[in-house]
Amino acid sequence: DTGVSQDPRHKITKRGQNVTFRCDPISEHNRLYWYRQTLGQGPEFLTYFQNEAQLEKSRLLSDRFSAERPKGSFSTLEIQRTEQGDSAMYLCASSGRDATDTQYFGPGTRLTVL
Amino acid sequence: KQEVTQIPAALSVPEGENLVLNCSFTDSAIYNLQWFRQDPGKGLTSLLLIQSSQREQTSGRLNASLDKSSGRSTLYIAASQPGDSATYLCAGSSSGGYQKVTFGTGTKLQVIP
Repeated sequence: DTGVSQDPRHKITKRGQNVTFRCDPISEHNRLYWYRQTLGQGPEFLTYFQNEAQLEKSRLLSDRFSAERPKGSFSTLEIQRTEQGDSAMYLCASSGRDATDTQYFGPGTRLTVL
Repeated sequence: KQEVTQIPAALSVPEGENLVLNCSFTDSAIYNLQWFRQDPGKGLTSLLLIQSSQREQTSGRLNASLDKSSGRSTLYIAASQPGDSATYLCAGSSSGGYQKVTFGTGTKLQVIP
């Protein structure tokens, strides 16, 4: 296991379409995080999973966004009816059972909404 | 609510120079503070993590300090190299059940050969 992976790396879509991103965390990590990063800004927290439970959601996560982690392993982030303002880098991170563990980030999925 | 600020937004130095990047945070009840590196269009690479009970961490040419009372952290890079050119982000974690991380906007570093 070489780290957190994300798929796809790039996604171009037309406004109004639905998109789904996948994150595979480091295998022994039970905590998983989604962030969004726009140009020139630091990442902003979107949501957090501990095992399969989604324990916190940011107000940034509108009703068009949904995230799942069905078996406590990989996670998906779906955006419905995409808008141009959704264009950003979506980053996934994972960490271990000890809350002092550092978060390990994936390479991100860059979304462009035309 | 934790707010994290990084100054300057950009920094350009000649190769070989020692430099300090600054990070300030508003909530002194910070759980830990991390420094990350981000290359253009890429994800984040963790550099150093300082727990709230620690004052500094070192890794190679990097040294990070944490002063909770003043709400400040610094990242010291010794003998800078062109390969150090990247954006450096600091991030504070809140106390509590999990690491809710708040990032600064980053300092874009350019090391000129």
